[in-house]
Amino acid sequence: GENVEQHPSTLSVQEGDSAVIKCTYSDSASNYFPWYKQELGKRPQLIIDIRSNVGEKKDQRIAVTLNKTAKHFSLHITETQPEDSAVYFCAAPQWAAGNKLTFGGGTRVLVKP
Amino acid sequence: DAGVIQSPRHEVTEMGQEVTLRCKPISGHNSLFWYRQTMMRGLELLIYFNNNVPIDDSGMPEDRFSAKMPNASFSTLKIQPSEPRDSAVYFCASRMNTEAFFGQGTRLTVV
Repeated sequence: GENVEQHPSTLSVQEGDSAVIKCTYSDSASNYFPWYKQELGKRPQLIIDIRSNVGEKKDQRIAVTLNKTAKHFSLHITETQPEDSAVYFCAAPQWAAGNKLTFGGGTRVLVKP
Repeated sequence: DAGVIQSPRHEVTEMGQEVTLRCKPISGHNSLFWYRQTMMRGLELLIYFNNNVPIDDSGMPEDRFSAKMPNASFSTLKIQPSEPRDSAVYFCASRMNTEAFFGQGTRLTVV
């Protein structure tokens, strides 16, 4: 089955600095890689995703990169702001198992003003 | 669409009681997931359905947990009997092809 590993589990950055979270996956058939943000007391919500036919995707201050050969993908947040403080989850689907979506363990990001 | 709707939002029950959590997925979505979230274990997949059929229930912790999806617009997760260690936030999510949309979650407290 799909195994998704996420690092680090916690990340503290100074406001304005960059934050990078990395995930590895095991199912080479996976071709869609979403990132979710969960603010305290709220539900996880999609912030960006990438498909395996591209290596990088950017949306304002967030970007995701994908290395299919190495089976890892990363979330990059630039010019961090206090509202970026949240828990971030990566995920990968297991297409052979009927679209099962497996999440990483999450990264708690704290942006210090 | 109102999104994925879960009920109740909060549930406090005594150990040994039966608990039923409910979920209404987004209309047209063919996959439904039940997740459990705790500080210690993160976001765990309990079970998921494709076209109302349970595909993988390997995440269900034990026989006290059961889930059903009688039709495309409704699913339940039942715990009987409940135990204090079942206290967690339970999320339901649905998807069509790619993005999974989460409900607001049910915060369950078993005392």
